[in-house]
Amino acid sequence: GENVEQHPSTLSVQEGDSAVIKCTYSDSASNYFPWYKQELGKRPQLIIDIRSNVGEKKDQRIAVTLNKTAKHFSLHITETQPEDSAVYFCAASMERGGGNKLTFGTGTQLKVEL
Amino acid sequence: DTEVTQTPKHLVMGMTNKKSLKCEQHMGHRAMYWYKQKAKKPPELMFVYSYEKLSINESVPSRFSPECPNSSLLNLHLHALQPEDSALYLCASSHSGSYNEQFFGPGTRLTVL
Repeated sequence: GENVEQHPSTLSVQEGDSAVIKCTYSDSASNYFPWYKQELGKRPQLIIDIRSNVGEKKDQRIAVTLNKTAKHFSLHITETQPEDSAVYFCAASMERGGGNKLTFGTGTQLKVEL
Repeated sequence: DTEVTQTPKHLVMGMTNKKSLKCEQHMGHRAMYWYKQKAKKPPELMFVYSYEKLSINESVPSRFSPECPNSSLLNLHLHALQPEDSALYLCASSHSGSYNEQFFGPGTRLTVL
């Protein structure tokens, strides 16, 4: 089955700096790569996603890049703010059984310090 | 309505109890999911329903029994659970097919004594 690795497990940055989180996946059948932010005690919420036929996508301070050949994808957050502090999960998805089977990475605890 | 709702928020049960978790969405999604999330870990897929039919069971023990009574509702029936089953149980829904965002509910925090 699919295996998703995520690094780093913790990341501490100063407010205004950039943060980069990297993931790799194993199954070339995965074709959709969402990123979820989960604050303590809350539900995971989608912050950005990318399809396998796209190399890069940007939404304001957040960008995601995908290298299908190397099976790598990364999340870039610029001008970080304290409210960006949370756990971030990457995921790889493939269509299965009429839905999308999401396999999550192990998570990155991002801390933005003042 | 663009939210997935779950009840109850918290549940404490003994190993001999029978309880049910409930999930509801009114976004017209035809795929619904149950995930289990332990502390400081990612969500792990348990079940997928597509058009009210169970399509994926990730080798979940039979003490967890899912049910999809209609396109808006998803239940998870619990019986004879173990303390290691204590976790946050998340429900999610999405449109069917590829590239579709899964919307998560707030979860039920389950404690098995």
